[in-house]
Amino acid sequence: RKEVEQDPGPFNVPEGATVAFNCTYSNSASQSFFWYRQDCRKEPKLLMSVYSSGNEDGRFTAQLNRASQYISLLIRDSKLSDSATYLCVVNILAGQNFVFGPGTRLSVLP
Amino acid sequence: EAQVTQNPRYLITVTGKKLTVTCSQNMNHEYMSWYRQDPGLGLRQIYYSMNVEVTDKGDVPEGYKVSRKEKRNFPLILESPSPNQTSLYFCASSPQAHQPQHFGDGTRLSIL
Repeated sequence: RKEVEQDPGPFNVPEGATVAFNCTYSNSASQSFFWYRQDCRKEPKLLMSVYSSGNEDGRFTAQLNRASQYISLLIRDSKLSDSATYLCVVNILAGQNFVFGPGTRLSVLP
Repeated sequence: EAQVTQNPRYLITVTGKKLTVTCSQNMNHEYMSWYRQDPGLGLRQIYYSMNVEVTDKGDVPEGYKVSRKEKRNFPLILESPSPNQTSLYFCASSPQAHQPQHFGDGTRLSIL
């Protein structure tokens, strides 16, 4: 089983739609969690950190479920500019290394 | 401007010819890291560094070396590059190990 798994995608949604991505991780010792977005051939950019209590940033909401070892990202009112690949990232504090999920590609269509 | 700078951005070279990809950050970050990204495999960590003179292997360290003599610089060294090291490479840094990372623009390496 891979350390970090994501919905395979791609997700093709119309503008204004709500879309949710899921990510599961296998190491229960994982400490920090993030969502990044990556545009084609560009560097990954931090979208948001994921906190235990859940957190929201505008149209984006992230949730963490430690018991089930999954993280989710909800995007409301999708914009064309949201089209990108979304990467789930897990940091295992003890090992100090970061593990990236394979990414889920989102295309928001006019 | 806060940034992570990688050089070169693009390089085509031949098998066995030693090369170095430089990475420099101007944010006084303690943690730095190198990744490679390949189609279907996503981003995989090569090496990381918690601070000056402290480096450790990531998930795919074979064929690579790093050094961290100064806080701002974290070069990636390919002593004898091979075609399977053709990839897109990213350097990243963060204030501390558990904090989100800031990425450089990437270096596209082609080893013929």
